[in-house]
Amino acid sequence: GAGVSQSPSNKVTEKGKDVELRCDPISGHTALYWYRQSLGQGLEFLIYFQGNSAPDKSGLPSDRFSAERTGGSVSTLTIQRTQQEDSAVYLCASSFYGSWSYEQYFGPGTRLTVT
Amino acid sequence: KQEVTQIPAALSVPEGENLVLNCSFTDSAIYNLQWFRQDPGKGLTSLLLIQSSQREQTSGRLNASLDKSSGRSTLYIAASQPGDSATYLCATGANSKLTFGKGITLSVRP
Repeated sequence: GAGVSQSPSNKVTEKGKDVELRCDPISGHTALYWYRQSLGQGLEFLIYFQGNSAPDKSGLPSDRFSAERTGGSVSTLTIQRTQQEDSAVYLCASSFYGSWSYEQYFGPGTRLTVT
Repeated sequence: KQEVTQIPAALSVPEGENLVLNCSFTDSAIYNLQWFRQDPGKGLTSLLLIQSSQREQTSGRLNASLDKSSGRSTLYIAASQPGDSATYLCATGANSKLTFGKGITLSVRP
């Protein structure tokens, strides 16, 4: 079946602009996660959704970052007033039920470059 | 706060060698541990998941072990091939998130 998809695959934006990154999880997966991979920091957790609610937003680095999920499916990560330090690869993952006995399956990522 | 360490950061071996990649973590209160492979410019491919109640998992030439009490996991790759060249990341699962190590970049020389 289809895996986790993300769009766009690459995004170049000017400092100060807002960007939206999209994630389409595997059909039937109730849990959805966003991570960020940057050169200096490695892979970091951002936010976790169970259904449409986000019980854990602890990894969002600032209030410029927000995410939503509608219909228990597609999720959008929004970064407002982008800064150069936001440049990174943003990865989305999904899993079945959200239990930690289940594997997380990752999408190909969106490479964000802020100029 | 969980810390996951993978040492060394890079490893180069000749083709055919059996090798072990190490992962250590500071908090043993984990639900599972996952090993991933990442090719340059690509996303993560899950290789093996070990639940906290398990000791090891095997898939083909790969075997992963977990020792929660000592905070260690190893990924064993048998008869390495050039196609195994990639970055290997381990991650512990707990409290609704995965905590990743920085990864080991493996190069298998023909």
